[in-house]
Amino acid sequence: NAGVTQTPKFQVLKTGQSMTLQCAQDMNHNSMYWYRQDPGMGLRLIYYSASEGTTDKGEVPNGYNVSRLNKREFSLRLESAAPSQTSVYFCASSEAGGAEYFGPGTRLTVT
Amino acid sequence: SQQGEEDPQALSIQEGENATMNCSYKTSINNLQWYRQNSGRGLVHLILIRSNEREKHSGRLRVTLDTSKKSSSLLITASRAADTASYFCATAMFSGGYNKLIFGAGTRLAVHP
Repeated sequence: NAGVTQTPKFQVLKTGQSMTLQCAQDMNHNSMYWYRQDPGMGLRLIYYSASEGTTDKGEVPNGYNVSRLNKREFSLRLESAAPSQTSVYFCASSEAGGAEYFGPGTRLTVT
Repeated sequence: SQQGEEDPQALSIQEGENATMNCSYKTSINNLQWYRQNSGRGLVHLILIRSNEREKHSGRLRVTLDTSKKSSSLLITASRAADTASYFCATAMFSGGYNKLIFGAGTRLAVHP
């Protein structure tokens, strides 16, 4: 089992460009999450999907959109990237009430 | 806002020593989880302790939970250089129909050979 996979691993964008971060899990989990991690800080939740077909905003949703394509896949889209979105992005999945399993992260730089 | 606050922010010890990290939180929780993050990698789940549990063990890890004080501690016994990482506590609450995790800022542990 691959667990949680994310693509790409690294990305550099210019201000105003758009991109989609991809995430997939093979653990048959219902819930999936997108977090960002900034230097010296813990993770902050951007969006989550409690189950296939549902998505909800987390703590810092502004500037992002998500799509829960099916049970396996949950993508994060930046429509118009800003330097403040420079961060490391992590996708995670879990069963309700349980541990979250994280992907390896995408390191995004917006210039 | 961050629910869990770890203490200390950084800890430096010698191999073989024990490492203790603490986590305090503000509101009622369903469970509390500890994660490890090696530099440049994703988080790895270590242990989950439910609100009705007081202590839990996993290998060299011991976690305690005191819901009256809203605090938890993670003890790593007989530390190794490979334990060098950041450790995060995350408090879990049911909110909006799902189990919401809120992470603290972490404790950076350095174990010197």
